[in-house]
Amino acid sequence: DAKTTQPPSMDCAEGRAANLPCNHSTISGNEYVYWYRQIHSQGPQYIIHGLKNNETNEMASLIITEDRKSSTLILPHATLRDTAVYYCIVSPGGSNYKLTFGKGTLLTVNP
Amino acid sequence: NAGVTQTPKFRVLKTGQSMTLLCAQDMNHEYMYWYRQDPGMGLRLIHYSVGEGTTAKGEVPDGYNVSRLKKQNFLLGLESAAPSQTSVYFCASSYSERMNTEAFFGQGTRLTVV
Repeated sequence: DAKTTQPPSMDCAEGRAANLPCNHSTISGNEYVYWYRQIHSQGPQYIIHGLKNNETNEMASLIITEDRKSSTLILPHATLRDTAVYYCIVSPGGSNYKLTFGKGTLLTVNP
Repeated sequence: NAGVTQTPKFRVLKTGQSMTLLCAQDMNHEYMYWYRQDPGMGLRLIHYSVGEGTTAKGEVPDGYNVSRLKKQNFLLGLESAAPSQTSVYFCASSYSERMNTEAFFGQGTRLTVV
């Protein structure tokens, strides 16, 4: 499975957009990019996923580069409740048992 | 709709004791998983199941056994607990791989082995 590289921590001001980067240079053609987050040791929560095209839902937007070697998760208007560890995961489509969690990025949203 | 429910939420065991963690989901998901999370680390897959009556090993299966007798339940057993099994355990479930979708996680079981 492809591995991902994320910064260990990031800060963001409340109300501003939070842009979380992820490198996945060895991603295979059939692997999706998933984003999950974990708030204060709760169970991880799914945010969004994509294959090639950019994706948007009510929580976030996912921008995947054309060569698919990196992606960015965008939280358009970060709130204090968005403070969490964000995990970027690459996995074959639908095979959730291959969700491999790294250490993620701790996003701290400051007032 | 409760989603994924884990029982118990907290437990303290003595070395050598046994226990079973229960995971129940009410979303009719085919796939279920058990992960453990140690301080400062991501989640590691222990065992998973792709359907009723089937189980498979994940990344760190040693010292654990699982059973999936009913589609909605996935049990994780520790036959002889060791301090190294002190961790937070998360259960998750999802639809089958035919549907590319998200995994839903429970709130975790905090286990301490002394």
